[in-house]
Amino acid sequence: NAGVTQTPKFRVLKTGQSMTLLCAQDMNHEYMYWYRQDPGMGLRLIHYSVGEGTTAKGEVPDGYNVSRLKKQNFLLGLESAAPSQTSVYFCASIDFIIGEQYFGPGTRLTVT
Amino acid sequence: AQSVAQPEDQVNVAEGNPLTVKCTYSVSGNPYLFWYVQYPNRGLQFLLKYITGDNLVKGSYGFEAEFNKSQTSFHLKKPSALVSDSALYFCAVRDNGGGADGLTFGKGTHLIIQP
Repeated sequence: NAGVTQTPKFRVLKTGQSMTLLCAQDMNHEYMYWYRQDPGMGLRLIHYSVGEGTTAKGEVPDGYNVSRLKKQNFLLGLESAAPSQTSVYFCASIDFIIGEQYFGPGTRLTVT
Repeated sequence: AQSVAQPEDQVNVAEGNPLTVKCTYSVSGNPYLFWYVQYPNRGLQFLLKYITGDNLVKGSYGFEAEFNKSQTSFHLKKPSALVSDSALYFCAVRDNGGGADGLTFGKGTHLIIQP
């Protein structure tokens, strides 16, 4: 049982480049989330999904797109990266029965 | 809307002394409350949660937290701090009658335990 995994762990992009971050969970959770963490800002919700084929915007969705084609995977895309998107990105899934959110190890993204 | 406040950016405690990391929250319904810890260059690790029941919740690594409904607080405590407790701590809240938009986090408190 790997829990929540994220790939890649690190990435450096140039402004304007695109990339996709992959999140996978093996706990059969319906709900999945993408957050970004910036110093002094805590975690801010980018997008979330309440099930396969569904997505919704969070607090800071601009510049990001997401897809949930399979229940176990939640992809976060940056179509045209900007330096303001330099951050650490965390994926999470939630067990609503016990009310606990499980986090992946994070992806550190630098946009130059 | 739900919100969390962690009023201290940093808390300094001598090893062996008791520690408290403060958290207050705001939700429209009844809260689900959580504490997470983050070590450098690592993800968030779950420490403890309050869903219902006893106001004093015990969690991992000897930490506990007290839910106070009248003061809308959920302070994290430990009777005797260890240097290894030094980390970034996040309080989070979810409205138990709310939607699917996950947890709302505070900005985090750096806990520094001095030998």
